[in-house]
Amino acid sequence: DAGVTQSPTHLIKTRGQHVTLRCSPISGHKSVSWYQQVLGQGPQFIFQYYEKEERGRGNFPDRFSARQFPNYSSELNVNALLLGDSALYLCASGAGSTDTQYFGPGTRLTVL
Amino acid sequence: DAKTTQPPSMDCAEGRAANLPCNHSTISGNEYVYWYRQIHSQGPQYIIHGLKNNETNEMASLIITEDRKSSTLILPHATLRDTAVYYCIVRGGSSNDYKLSFGAGTTVTVRA
Repeated sequence: DAGVTQSPTHLIKTRGQHVTLRCSPISGHKSVSWYQQVLGQGPQFIFQYYEKEERGRGNFPDRFSARQFPNYSSELNVNALLLGDSALYLCASGAGSTDTQYFGPGTRLTVL
Repeated sequence: DAKTTQPPSMDCAEGRAANLPCNHSTISGNEYVYWYRQIHSQGPQYIIHGLKNNETNEMASLIITEDRKSSTLILPHATLRDTAVYYCIVRGGSSNDYKLSFGAGTTVTVRA
């Protein structure tokens, strides 16, 4: 079975630009979560969507937004990029009674 | 807001069992203990989770103390490919407890 997929793998942007990252969950999973991982730190929670509704948001500015589509895939949008947004962006999908999260390989974003 | 305490690093010999401790003294009755690992620059990999009973799967065993204030992840026969950062995370079992709070984890180095 295919795992969580993310695109693109790597991305380079400049300050002030916006970016869209994409995630396809494992088939049958209805929740999608986004995490940011800065070099040397653990992943930090950004959003979770379940059945196309936002279920939770972490401590991130409004420049970060996301949505989930009817097929349960998801997009993470970041506007007005800052150098500090350079990170590995991880998507996870969840299933089961405890919504166990399974992660994708991530998108490496570099902001110059 | 990490609720767990792990040693920052540990070494183990290839072929031997690796025992990774985690303290979660403030765990509440409906919270699960989850273990993930992350190999350099990859997405976190789900290993195992448990509530109060010991659990075993093809990757590892999870031993939870009777008072649930600590647990141990056991990799029965460590290989070089098990070198990674291991995260112990406490998370509720309801749909309202949606996020994973990653701490610094334990950097495990398996040596030949």
